[in-house]
Amino acid sequence: EIVMTQSPATLSASPGERAILSCRSSQTVNNKLAWYQQKPGQAPRLLIYFASTRATGVHARFIGSGSGTDFTLTINSLQSDDFAVYYCQQYVHGPPLTFGGGTKVEI
Amino acid sequence: EVQLLESGGSLVQPGGSLSLSCAAFGFTFSGHDMTWVRQAPGKGLEWVSLIYRRGSDTFYADSVKGRFTISRDDSKNTLFLQMNSLRAEDTAVYYCARDREAGDGSLDFDLWGQGTLVAVSP
Repeated sequence: EIVMTQSPATLSASPGERAILSCRSSQTVNNKLAWYQQKPGQAPRLLIYFASTRATGVHARFIGSGSGTDFTLTINSLQSDDFAVYYCQQYVHGPPLTFGGGTKVEI
Repeated sequence: EVQLLESGGSLVQPGGSLSLSCAAFGFTFSGHDMTWVRQAPGKGLEWVSLIYRRGSDTFYADSVKGRFTISRDDSKNTLFLQMNSLRAEDTAVYYCARDREAGDGSLDFDLWGQGTLVAVSP
């Protein structure tokens, strides 16, 4: 099973700042990586797939990058609505699918 | 409206069984792979099970293999999860979700239900 490790566990930032979230896989996943945003009491929301493609309706301030084993989600000019937990998920060989432990972006 | 609606969650005793349903609306259900993902209280996301289009293949996390069964009824636009031999560690919110695009080599999920809570306790 591919293990996904996210860092930091918690990121403190202010509105207007840039947040950089990291996701690392225990073996290569090529570009088969997605990012999700989850707010309290809500279901996850797909932000990025294939490591760098924004999902429909996702703002351009969300930028996914990376390939192989190291990936980054950059959130430019943080808005109050962006404070949430972010998860990465790999799907390189199909199931089993694995998620990272999440990064909480807080004020 | 395009949406998924889960139902069936409740309080159940250890060793008991429960069946979850996920009704799909507003899209061609049969054209999508579907999955169940769970989230224990205060914890992260855990993939549980996946079923391909037409039910051709099913997959399970090791933690539920042999106890849970995923199925689908495309005529009723509904996804199911039969859960047997439930344990305390199965306590979680269970989400169903839709694979964004079949056939492009991806398994990412662009439509999620609101979740249904399963609590396993004496």
